[in-house]
Amino acid sequence: AQSVTQLGSHVSVSEGALVLLRCNYSSSVPPYLFWYVQYPNQGLQLLLKYTSAATLVKGINGFEAEFKKSETSFHLTKPSAHMSDAAEYFCAVSDPRAGGGNKLTFGTGTQLKVEL
Amino acid sequence: NAGVTQTPKFQVLKTGQSMTLQCAQDMNHEYMSWYRQDPGMGLRLIHYSVGAGITDQGEVPNGYNVSRSTTEDFPLRLLSAAPSQTSVYFCASRTGQGGNSPLHFGNGTRLTVT
Repeated sequence: AQSVTQLGSHVSVSEGALVLLRCNYSSSVPPYLFWYVQYPNQGLQLLLKYTSAATLVKGINGFEAEFKKSETSFHLTKPSAHMSDAAEYFCAVSDPRAGGGNKLTFGTGTQLKVEL
Repeated sequence: NAGVTQTPKFQVLKTGQSMTLQCAQDMNHEYMSWYRQDPGMGLRLIHYSVGAGITDQGEVPNGYNVSRSTTEDFPLRLLSAAPSQTSVYFCASRTGQGGNSPLHFGNGTRLTVT
């Protein structure tokens, strides 16, 4: 079964600083990986996804993530944080084999705070 | 574009009461699912459906029933509410073309069971 671990339930950065949100996965096969963002009182929105086409994935709002098989990681980064990036971020994994994609497994989330 | 619509937004129930959380999507998505979100636990899959007439259990199905009579609608039923079901519930849908398609989420239903 797939699983993800997000290190750090809360991350605080200064505006303009690098954002790094960590995600490690466990999977018996190369998985599909996703990052979603949740703003207060809203549902989740897709930031980016990895589906084996390229290891460096660019998403919306200047975010990107790199799939590293050797480290079983899919960390999310943004070079310069903006106040509007304050939100909760979720890493998620699914099994690419037939039927496995029906069960997307989420991490516990990382709350990002951006300070002036 | 409506996307995924959930009703109601808020609901308070007493222990033992029943209710149905509604979910409708207008994107002709084959796959629909229900998640619950609890602090520190992320989102956990309750039930999902890959098309009309087809449903299956997720990680935490106990206490919840679903059915899928149309492509558009996927209601979640609580037959006898318990305080442990206090949570925020999200409905999500995607195209049925594989697990690499992104989920589209509704804005959630906040349920409190007293």
